[in-house]
Amino acid sequence: GENVEQHPSTLSVQEGDSAVIKCTYSDSASNYFPWYKQELGKGPQLIIDIRSNVGEKKDQRIAVTLNKTAKHFSLHITETQPEDSAVYFCAGGDSSYKLIFGSGTRLLVRP
Amino acid sequence: DTAVSQTPKYLVTQMGNDKSIKCEQNLGHDTMYWYKQDSKKFLKIMFSYNNKELIINETVPNRFSPKSPDKAHLNLHINSLELGDSAVYFCASSLRLAPSRNEQFFGPGTRLTVL
Repeated sequence: GENVEQHPSTLSVQEGDSAVIKCTYSDSASNYFPWYKQELGKGPQLIIDIRSNVGEKKDQRIAVTLNKTAKHFSLHITETQPEDSAVYFCAGGDSSYKLIFGSGTRLLVRP
Repeated sequence: DTAVSQTPKYLVTQMGNDKSIKCEQNLGHDTMYWYKQDSKKFLKIMFSYNNKELIINETVPNRFSPKSPDKAHLNLHINSLELGDSAVYFCASSLRLAPSRNEQFFGPGTRLTVL
């Protein structure tokens, strides 16, 4: 089955700097890669996703890139703000009925 | 509010007890899930239901029994609670069955503490 690895586990950046979180997946059949943000005391919330027929997707300050050959995908957050501080999860999904989540990255944006 | 809701938000109980967590979604979705998030934040799927039918059962001990009375509700009953059951349990829903093609909406979580 699918295995998703995520790193780093923690990331501290200065406000205004960029943050990059990376994930690798094992199942070449995986075709859907969402990113979820979990704020303290809340459930995860989808922030951006990418499908295997696309190499990059942007939404304002966040972007995701996908390298199918290398089986890795990344989340990029530019001009970070304190409200970006949260735990971020990548996930991989194929034609089966479940998403496999990475282990999470705790992002701290220092004012 | 349009959302996925769970009750209770906090649950503290003794080992050996039986407890239930309830989940409701008013999004009109067909599919609902239960996830367990441990103290290290690992998020792991336990069950999923589609239109009241069990689809995924991820090697969860049979002390855990999900029940879906209708497609808007998915409850989780846990028998003979153990210390290792302490975690945050999240309910989620998606429009259709294949989560690989549909955004999952998560509830606020139920923090279960077993003493």
